[in-house]
Amino acid sequence: GAGVSQSPSNKVTEKGKDVELRCDPISGHTALYWYRQSLGQGLEFLIYFQGNSAPDKSGLPSDRFSAERTGGSVSTLTIQRTQQEDSAVYLCASEYADRTDTQYFGPGTRLTVL
Amino acid sequence: GESVGLHLPTLSVQEGDNSIINCAYSNSASDYFIWYKQESGKGPQFIIDIRSNMDKRQGQRVTVLLNKTVKHLSLQIAATQPGDSAVYFCAENMGNTGKLIFGQGTTLQVKP
Repeated sequence: GAGVSQSPSNKVTEKGKDVELRCDPISGHTALYWYRQSLGQGLEFLIYFQGNSAPDKSGLPSDRFSAERTGGSVSTLTIQRTQQEDSAVYLCASEYADRTDTQYFGPGTRLTVL
Repeated sequence: GESVGLHLPTLSVQEGDNSIINCAYSNSASDYFIWYKQESGKGPQFIIDIRSNMDKRQGQRVTVLLNKTVKHLSLQIAATQPGDSAVYFCAENMGNTGKLIFGQGTTLQVKP
């Protein structure tokens, strides 16, 4: 596609359930990032993938959060045993090269945990 | 610790006026800075960037100024239009970390 796509656009779940959020980066982009944005706040870095290198997971807030990137393209962010404080917009961004290029963002997935 | 912050949470300007959005950063090792625009319900959109070896960069109706002495970044929008209404974020990237650190954002409101 022309840009970064994310699905679903909205997700409502009950506390304790697991959720999976998907990101399709721009074709040919080697780097992929996940961020979290709480209401009225800036973006919080979660995890970074670059090619076949080990991901930078330094931003993941707890071990309930994990992400994978299959085939160097699509990525899935998984949140296990969701909590109300996980409610936020989860944004994915992709980048062409090696951490010095512009990151292009998807529209985000709005997660609401009841 | 490291932080990127914006001085004003909301900026209201008259259509046609120039807007200036400010940003302070604390990490002197940062060498790449980006301004993003985020409209309601959308992801951030790249506006303009600047590297630390520059102090000014111009785009279409936008100019970014970098003052490394006081660790200050600003975004100037000329002839502000209603379509410029959005939240503006500055972000810094420290060398080869790839991890952008975002500020809290400034809401720009353009009055007709």
